[in-house]
Amino acid sequence: GAVVSQHPSRVICKSGTSVKIECRSLDFQATTMFWYRQFPKQSLMLMATSNEGSKATYEQGVEKDKFLINHASLTLSTLTVTSAHPEDSSFYICSASLAGATDTQYFGPGTRLTVL
Amino acid sequence: GQNIDQPTEMTATEGAIVQINCTYQTSGFNGLFWYQQHAGEAPTFLSYNVLDGLEEKGRFSSFLSRSKGYSYLLLKELQMKDSASYLCAVRSAGNNRKLIWGLGTSLAVNP
Repeated sequence: GAVVSQHPSRVICKSGTSVKIECRSLDFQATTMFWYRQFPKQSLMLMATSNEGSKATYEQGVEKDKFLINHASLTLSTLTVTSAHPEDSSFYICSASLAGATDTQYFGPGTRLTVL
Repeated sequence: GQNIDQPTEMTATEGAIVQINCTYQTSGFNGLFWYQQHAGEAPTFLSYNVLDGLEEKGRFSSFLSRSKGYSYLLLKELQMKDSASYLCAVRSAGNNRKLIWGLGTSLAVNP
């Protein structure tokens, strides 16, 4: 149980285009989903916390107009990187929190974004 | 401020035991997690501690001392596939479910 999928796994796009990444909890309902980015050999950096049906809470320094998050249902959250630039190239990972005593976060497999 | 410390790198031998330490200073405490992350992949959940003591799960065990702000992950009978980064994460007090992450310990298991 507690499987999270993420799509696409890898994307290459031109500078200035937008990219949408989907995160789905496959076998449980996730009241909260998290979006992270990770640069090579660095730890996870939380970008935003997303609750179903409400606006995402962004971490300091993360532009909400550039990284659009939509959490339309208890099993789906999307991250759209708008007007992507080469410095947005990174590994983007979502996690879904299984509501309960531990609120453990289960991670999707990640999306490798390369902006040319 | 909030801070989590763990060693940057560790090396061990196949079949041996290794202990990865994590110390934390957070505004309140509401659980500590250990995750394993192989290069190029997403983290996978290993263990959760909220009360003091040892939690054992197969070859992996995790210990917590809340009074000392200290945890360790113990890996027994090391295998080559255990070479990975091990992340310690703490959930601070409050209704916020987000985690504070350590920088990870890169473990290399040698034959």
